[in-house]
Amino acid sequence: IAGITQAPTSQILAAGRRMTLRCTQDMRHNAMYWYRQDLGLGLRLIHYSNTAGTTGKGEVPDGYSVSRANTDDFPLTLASAVPSQTSVYFCASSDGGQSTDTQYFGPGTRLTVL
Amino acid sequence: GQNIDQPTEMTATEGAIVQINCTYQTSGFNGLFWYQQHAGEAPTFLSYNVLDGLEEKGRFSSFLSRSKGYSYLLLKELQMKDSASYLCAYMDSNYQLIWGAGTKLIIKP
Repeated sequence: IAGITQAPTSQILAAGRRMTLRCTQDMRHNAMYWYRQDLGLGLRLIHYSNTAGTTGKGEVPDGYSVSRANTDDFPLTLASAVPSQTSVYFCASSDGGQSTDTQYFGPGTRLTVL
Repeated sequence: GQNIDQPTEMTATEGAIVQINCTYQTSGFNGLFWYQQHAGEAPTFLSYNVLDGLEEKGRFSSFLSRSKGYSYLLLKELQMKDSASYLCAYMDSNYQLIWGAGTKLIIKP
């Protein structure tokens, strides 16, 4: 059982380019999340999905979009990358998005936008 | 509000005990989580408190006081492998996690 996988592991991207970060989980979790982690700041929620077919905006959604066509996959797309989107991106999942649910994290994608 | 604070960095000695504090202010609260994150790796779950009191799990314990907006993580018998960042997060009224910036714990021999 792999848990949550993310691809790519790292990427250097020119500003203005489009990029999709992939996230797949095999735990049949209902809820999935995308966070960014920047030095000196806590994890910040970008977008989330409580169940397949639904998505919601988190704290910092601008410049990002997501889709949830099925339970397992939750890709994050940067339509036109900017240097301020340089960060480490973590995908996470949990069973149901309620108070007792533990979130499990993927290994992260380190993105540099030049 | 979504305010949560924890110290930036702490240093402790191998074999000793260390307490990492976390304070928060929120109008909606559904529990307090602690995660461990080694450098370059993903956060991993350590503990969850929703009621006041102490939860013990091996060498790690976590305490919560809802009335004070306060939690701590207690690590006993410190080992070198405990060198990591420790992330505090509360779950708000929308069941979203609000994260602190993390406390980097340095263990010295």
